[in-house]
Amino acid sequence: KAGVTQTPRYLIKTRGQQVTLSCSPISGHRSVSWYQQTPGQGLQFLFEYFSETQRNKGNFPGRFSGRQFSNSRSEMNVSTLELGDSALYLCASSDDRQGVNEQFFGPGTRLTVL
Amino acid sequence: GQQVMQIPQYQHVQEGEDFTTYCNSSTTLSNIQWYKQRPGGHPVFLIQLVKSGEVKKQKRLTFQFGEAKKNSSLHITATQTTDVGTYFCAGYNTNAGKSTFGDGTTLTVKP
Repeated sequence: KAGVTQTPRYLIKTRGQQVTLSCSPISGHRSVSWYQQTPGQGLQFLFEYFSETQRNKGNFPGRFSGRQFSNSRSEMNVSTLELGDSALYLCASSDDRQGVNEQFFGPGTRLTVL
Repeated sequence: GQQVMQIPQYQHVQEGEDFTTYCNSSTTLSNIQWYKQRPGGHPVFLIQLVKSGEVKKQKRLTFQFGEAKKNSSLHITATQTTDVGTYFCAGYNTNAGKSTFGDGTTLTVKP
């Protein structure tokens, strides 16, 4: 099976702009989670989508949003970018059907906000 | 909300020395997972522990889950340069319905 893919891999934006990141999960996985990773801050949970519904949400401002499509592909959007949004954004998919929530991470999108 | 603390944040060892990272949760966990992230890479699943007091081994790696299911540890015996990276624990709480990651322990190994 192909792994989790994320596009684009790198992105440079300026403050105030908005950005959309895409994630394609492993075939058959219905759960997709998004994380923000910054140096020294570990992995901060953004949200999780399951069967096109947001199932969980972290403590991020409303500028961060996401959605999931019927084919389980997911997008996350950040509006009105701030310098502090510069980070590696990781998505992870899992197969909830087996009751094991092992997460398979994609390579991430590195966002730089200037 | 659920918090997962991991210590130490950094560990520098000489090749051949042992290494341990500890993970503590503010709430009782349904299970705990461990991931490894190599420099420039993404987290990769290592193992999941479910039972109270569970101990699992993967070659030189030993994983433990505490009796109260609130803490866990990862121990590496005789570290090698291939062990470098950041090790994360992720505690899953059924009530919260999500995993909470610790901040990770970054291991460097001096040859």
